[in-house]
Amino acid sequence: EAGVTQSPTHLIKTRGQQATLRCSPISGHTSVYWYQQALGLGLQFLLWYDEGEERNRGNFPPRFSGRQFPNYSSELNVNALELEDSALYLCASSLVKSPLHFGNGTRLTVT
Amino acid sequence: AQTVTQSQPEMSVQEAETVTLSCTYDTSENNYYLFWYKQPPSRQMILVIRQEAYKQQNATENRFSVNFQKAAKSFSLKISDSQLGDTAMYFCAFMKFQTGANNLFFGTGTRLTVIP
Repeated sequence: EAGVTQSPTHLIKTRGQQATLRCSPISGHTSVYWYQQALGLGLQFLLWYDEGEERNRGNFPPRFSGRQFPNYSSELNVNALELEDSALYLCASSLVKSPLHFGNGTRLTVT
Repeated sequence: AQTVTQSQPEMSVQEAETVTLSCTYDTSENNYYLFWYKQPPSRQMILVIRQEAYKQQNATENRFSVNFQKAAKSFSLKISDSQLGDTAMYFCAFMKFQTGANNLFFGTGTRLTVIP
């Protein structure tokens, strides 16, 4: 089966711009999660979507938002980019109460 | 709040030897899952092993096994017969049993290098 796919692989933006990151879950998985992995830090939980609804969000400002589409794919949007938003953004999908399956991530660089 | 601590930022091991990565966590929950994930240079997070807190038997997956000490809130990963492909970042993670994977908490990781 195809795994979790993320696009783009790399994204370079300037401060103040907006970034859009995309994720396609494993077929049959209805939950999608977004994590930020900044250099030297662990994974910080960003957002959880399930069945098209935002179920929970981590301790991030409203500049970080997203949505889940009817086909369960998801977008993460980051507005008004700041330098400290530079990180690896990982998407994961799962079934209920099952381990997360991660994609390869999008490396966002803000200059 | 749940916290996961990995006190070893970096470790190395000779090929074919055994290495143990440490993880402690803090929670007031009684039912939960614990995981070890591996992140090789390809960046993809790969599930290595999982442990349900209600199970007393330590989980084993081929060369990977855990030492789960619930009272001590300790969850170490032992890698036997280390291989070059084991070189990666290893993350310990905690998940509440009731509320699902939206409450998956990660440690800061241990970078393991297997030396030929």
